Amino acid sequence: DGGITQSPKYLFRKEGQNVTLSCEQNLNHDAMYWYRQDPGQGLRLIYYSQIVNDFQKGDIAEGYSVSREKKESFPLTVTSAQKNPTAFYLCASSSDRGHGTQYFGPGTRLTVL
Amino acid sequence: KQEVTQIPAALSVPEGENLVLNCSFTDSAIYNLQWFRQDPGKGLTSLLLIQSSQREQTSGRLNASLDKSSGRSTLYIAASQPGDSATYLCAVDQFGNEKLTFGTGTRLTIIP
Repeated sequence: DGGITQSPKYLFRKEGQNVTLSCEQNLNHDAMYWYRQDPGQGLRLIYYSQIVNDFQKGDIAEGYSVSREKKESFPLTVTSAQKNPTAFYLCASSSDRGHGTQYFGPGTRLTVL
Repeated sequence: KQEVTQIPAALSVPEGENLVLNCSFTDSAIYNLQWFRQDPGKGLTSLLLIQSSQREQTSGRLNASLDKSSGRSTLYIAASQPGDSATYLCAVDQFGNEKLTFGTGTRLTIIP
């Protein structure tokens, strides 16, 4: 089965804690992305990576960090500096250095208690 | 800055009708335009990708058109079914960017 997996599906965090969301793909795609989705708003790009060991900030990177040590993995850490982290987080990947079809994972819903 | 708009935000139609969803964008220097479907609480599923050099793409009952000069794309759904109920999003891949700009989506409800 080829595709993108995200874990966990639901995540609860206490204020002041860092949490890490997992994203793995076996599509052999170079490019990977993290988006945040809030009710009534479109997807907003947090970070993206076009190649291993390199990544760029998206439109709302403050309070988040990422790493890209392996082609198939792109974990996202939501730090305590993110003031309003409750949201639905989506990971995606694409071929053709970002200009191909984007394939999405099932998402992680993060709730801050 | 590229802006992508989808109007209306919500649409309800009886089963069996043909329908059109609209997407407009402000900067016509695009690489491609993509249409996605999202079911509640799920990730996005790619429906169609139209390259900037193409006028339309078809997949089954879906047909997407692109008019770059006017900054518009439409998604035509033929013979709608209750299973088509979902939110439909369009996204633009702009030259000079390595990322998509998404619209806020149209929530479609097909009434049995």
